[in-house]
Amino acid sequence: EVQLVESGGGLIQPGGSLRVSCVVSGFTVSSNYMSWVRQAPGKGLEWVSVLYRGGDTYYADSVKGRFTISRDNSKNTLFLQMNSLRAEDTAVYYCARGLVATVWGFDYWGRGTLVTVSS
Amino acid sequence: QSVLTQPPSVSAAPGQKVTISCSGSGSNIGNNYVSWYQQLPGTAPQLLIYDNNKRPSGIPDRFSGSKSGTSATLGITGLQTGDEADYYCGTWDSSLSAGIFGGGTKLTVL
Repeated sequence: EVQLVESGGGLIQPGGSLRVSCVVSGFTVSSNYMSWVRQAPGKGLEWVSVLYRGGDTYYADSVKGRFTISRDNSKNTLFLQMNSLRAEDTAVYYCARGLVATVWGFDYWGRGTLVTVSS
Repeated sequence: QSVLTQPPSVSAAPGQKVTISCSGSGSNIGNNYVSWYQQLPGTAPQLLIYDNNKRPSGIPDRFSGSKSGTSATLGITGLQTGDEADYYCGTWDSSLSAGIFGGGTKLTVL
C-alpha cells in the first residue's frame, strides 16, 4: 500500500529555518518525481517544488533561493528545507507522488504538516 | 492571482451535470497536460483526471476531462451530495519552469 506521511511542521519565528519530511512506503522515493504543494489557511493549492528521478529540481518563484527539496533514498524520505521563513509561508505542506504514466500529475498525497510562521 | 483561471464557485442540483473551466495560456495548458484534483473538506487533494482526460483507477466515469487550446474543462455528471468539494486544475508552465494550480472552484450540490 502506498503511503506518504509528512512531519516536522510547527511554529517558527520569521527568519527562522525548518525542515519538513515525507516518509514514503509502498514504493521507492527515487522511482517517481515528487513534489511539495502547500495550502495557506482558507486558500487554494500552491505548488512549491519538484524533484525529478534524475535529480533535477524546480521551485516556485515565491520560494526560490530559500527552500531546497531533496531526498534520502536509504530512508525513502523526501525533504523540504525551508530557510528565511516569512509569515506568508504559513500553510499546510503536502508531499505528493508523481504519476509515472505522465509528465505531470500527482496520484498519492500525504495528509500534510502545518507550518506556522509567527512571532 | 493564479496563472490558471477557474470560476470561484459552481452549483447544481443532485443528479444534474456541471462543468468547471480552467483557462490558461500557450505556455501552460496550451502545450502541457492538465490534471484535476478534488479536495473534500479537511482532507488532502485527490487526483481525478490526468493527461487532460484520463481517469486513475477507482475514479468513476461520472468524472471526465477535456482540453481545447488553452482551456480545459472538468465535467461531473449524476451529481451527488458527496461531490461537494473544492476542485483544482493543475499543469506545468514551460515559461515559468514551474508547476501551477488554478485558484480552485467550490462545488455546491443544492
